[in-house]
Amino acid sequence: GENVEQHPSTLSVQEGDSAVIKCTYSDSASNYFPWYKQELGKGPQLIIDIRSNVGEKKDQRIAVTLNKTAKHFSLHITETQPEDSAVYFCAAKTDRGSTLGRLYFGRGTQLTVWP
Amino acid sequence: EAQVTQNPRYLITVTGKKLTVTCSQNMNHEYMSWYRQDPGLGLRQIYYSMNVEVTDKGDVPEGYKVSRKEKRNFPLILESPSPNQTSLYFCASSLNSLTNEKLFFGSGTQLSVL
Repeated sequence: GENVEQHPSTLSVQEGDSAVIKCTYSDSASNYFPWYKQELGKGPQLIIDIRSNVGEKKDQRIAVTLNKTAKHFSLHITETQPEDSAVYFCAAKTDRGSTLGRLYFGRGTQLTVWP
Repeated sequence: EAQVTQNPRYLITVTGKKLTVTCSQNMNHEYMSWYRQDPGLGLRQIYYSMNVEVTDKGDVPEGYKVSRKEKRNFPLILESPSPNQTSLYFCASSLNSLTNEKLFFGSGTQLSVL
């Protein structure tokens, strides 16, 4: 099946700085790449997603970029705020054969934003 | 309010005592799934269901069972829990895993097996 690698596992930034989390995937048939944010004591929530026919997508302070050739995608958070502190998960969905429709998650990044 | 409801939120049990974690969604979603979250390992899929009466193994199905007799419910059954099943469990659902993939997660069930 698909293998999604996520880096870094922890990230600390000063409030107002930018944060970047990177993921790579292995299956060239993957076509959907969401990012989930998990706040303490809660379930993950979708914050942004991108499909393989798009190179970049932006929603206010967050953006996601996708490089299909290199098989990697990244989450960019600008002007970070303390409420951005959470665990972030990337994921990839493959439409290949027996894994049709399955979503594979990275191991997560603990982002801490210091005031 | 659209939501995925898991119960219980916390559970402490002993090795070998059968337990069930319930999951229910009120969004008429076709796809439902169970994940476990362990430190450093992220979210690993246990079982998933594309629709009623259709279930399949994820990446870590050993020691678990599921059923999908109704569209809204997808219980997770541990027939004989062991300490290595101590984990944080999440149920999730989406409208359709192929074309509308946004996953809605429950609040989680923290399970401790002694």
